[in-house]
Amino acid sequence: NAGVMQNPRHLVRRRGQEARLRCSPMKGHSHVYWYRQLPEEGLKFMVYLQKENIIDESGMPKERFSAEFPKEGPSILRIQQVVRGDSAAYFCASSPRQNSPLHFGNGTRLTVT
Amino acid sequence: TQLLEQSPQFLSIQEGENLTVYCNSSSVFSSLQWYRQEPGEGPVLLVTVVTGGEVKKLKRLTFQFGDARKDSSLHITAAQTGDTGLYLCAGWDYGGSQGNLIFGKGTKLSVKP
Repeated sequence: NAGVMQNPRHLVRRRGQEARLRCSPMKGHSHVYWYRQLPEEGLKFMVYLQKENIIDESGMPKERFSAEFPKEGPSILRIQQVVRGDSAAYFCASSPRQNSPLHFGNGTRLTVT
Repeated sequence: TQLLEQSPQFLSIQEGENLTVYCNSSSVFSSLQWYRQEPGEGPVLLVTVVTGGEVKKLKRLTFQFGDARKDSSLHITAAQTGDTGLYLCAGWDYGGSQGNLIFGKGTKLSVKP
């Protein structure tokens, strides 16, 4: 039973490029959450999605960031025109229903040079 | 937005010692969760506490939920090097319409042989 799969594990982008982070939830899970983690700052909520719908994007910057969870395929977190401050570990988590404990992937570590 | 404060931020102890870490808030939570995160990996759920005053044991780990459901503690007996990691507490924040899981900044535990 595969857990939450994130890829790539490491991603290096130059300033101004686009970053695409992918997340395949656990089988049977239709709720997906994205978090950003910086050293000494803990996990910061970004966005919560269900299939084809964004439920809560209150933690996501208004510009350059977007997320989707299509009917088929993985959830995508997209960062356009990356800046150095976007360097962080991005974690995806899934759950089978609302307010259930979350199952996390092992993250994508984004480095912007 | 509800906040979770964890203390201490860092803790370094010798194998065999006991320790307690804390998670506090000024807000009431319907439940609190504890996760452990190891370097390079995503957080893994340890336990969920639901009832005020509840005590749950997981081998050498004892979790307590405060009577007022505003705080929780994690006590480890006879720590082992394998207990090393980042311990995070989390609770559902219903400030938004659907709720999202918010995390404290964590306690980074290092157990030395």
